[in-house]
Amino acid sequence: AQKITQTQPGMFVQEKEAVTLDCTYDTSDQSYGLFWYKQPSSGEMIFLIYQGSYDEQNATEGRYSLNFQKARKSANLVISASQLGDSAMYFCAISINFGKGTSLLVTP
Amino acid sequence: EAEVAQSPRYKITEKSQAVAFWCDPISGHATLYWYRQILGQGPELLVQFQDESVVDDSQLPKDRFSAERLKGVDSTLKIQPAELGDSAMYLCASRGWDSYNEQFFGPGTRLTVL
Repeated sequence: AQKITQTQPGMFVQEKEAVTLDCTYDTSDQSYGLFWYKQPSSGEMIFLIYQGSYDEQNATEGRYSLNFQKARKSANLVISASQLGDSAMYFCAISINFGKGTSLLVTP
Repeated sequence: EAEVAQSPRYKITEKSQAVAFWCDPISGHATLYWYRQILGQGPELLVQFQDESVVDDSQLPKDRFSAERLKGVDSTLKIQPAELGDSAMYLCASRGWDSYNEQFFGPGTRLTVL
């Protein structure tokens, strides 16, 4: 079984600043993929970024990047230059297993 | 751009009534998922289909929930009878053999049971 832990229920960041959302996981699989999703208040889950367990480089996708530390089983999402539209829930997931999410509020 | 379709977007019902949700995945996606998301929580898998076959329904409350994907394309999730605790967002997702194998989610159905 896989378990995803997101310890930050809520985070605040000022516009244009960077923010890190934490994710730790537990899995017995040797090969796995880590996903981050964004869920605005409208409810739709939006795929942001993917990190394969055997990828040697940290994934990046525009303003999103992953700080992947395999030995520590950690896959933190970094959002650079935060925008007001980044305010949403953020979920870390492996396959069908999701964390409880972090609520991010970006302030002017 | 291809999208996962769900209907209805919102549903209000009284307890003990029957409700049904519909999902049409992205064309060609063989894997389809139904999740339930309680407010403030992450999505929890209810059922996973591979084509028309159920792969995982271990978390589906089978006394009241049923799901089908008869032709391996669109899918229906039914609750009968609905209970107050069923109030949640019901998300459908599909997955194909893309580069990341990520799930593509529909807009969800927000169910309120009174």
